[in-house]
Amino acid sequence: SAVISQKPSRDICQRGTSLTIQCQVDSQVTMMFWYRQQPGQSLTLIATANQGSEATYESGFVIDKFPISRPNLTFSTLTVSNMSPEDSSIYLCSVEIAGNPSTDTQYFGPGTRLTVL
Amino acid sequence: QKEVEQNSGPLSVPEGAIASLNCTYSDRGSQSFFWYRQYSGKSPELIMSIYSNGDKEDGRFTAQLNKASQYVSLLIRDSQPSDSATYLCAGFTSGTYKYIFGTGTRLKVLA
Repeated sequence: SAVISQKPSRDICQRGTSLTIQCQVDSQVTMMFWYRQQPGQSLTLIATANQGSEATYESGFVIDKFPISRPNLTFSTLTVSNMSPEDSSIYLCSVEIAGNPSTDTQYFGPGTRLTVL
Repeated sequence: QKEVEQNSGPLSVPEGAIASLNCTYSDRGSQSFFWYRQYSGKSPELIMSIYSNGDKEDGRFTAQLNKASQYVSLLIRDSQPSDSATYLCAGFTSGTYKYIFGTGTRLKVLA
């Protein structure tokens, strides 16, 4: 497995501002993912972040709203831009760890709880 | 749209009983499957992964995979109140490199 940390753990922000969420993992990983989970709902993939290339966004999510950086194999950031109350959610980063010999597996960070007023 | 479907529950079982959680998936290209446990206010925690047909056991947990029926299950033996959580099923397809999550089943173990 991996030790994954996220900062901040929670924040309350004003409408129209931006927040950058950091994700740090204790080992080098190729694949990192950013998810959103709204109260009582399952996980929705925002984008896949590979080191050295542009993030791949899922339908309904755009780079201008959710810019992602992946400067190295242990770190990524997700920015939630021009926030509105609808962006209030838990944001989770996850990493994929290669299985040896079992299957590659995804592990989650502790999440960032965002409230937009 | 490729989907993973779960009954949202709640599934209530008495302490000490076997809890059976089920999941079906629509993408026949899915190769690996995962069960995550998520306590309220916490992030998902991996319990089991399975990629071959049949059963895989780990302590009180048994994952079962039937690719012909596109069906994955998780059995929890000797259920404890601490097992009360939402259980998420996920499938992975290497062709699209996506993990697709179900909506989760809420389990309540009654003391």
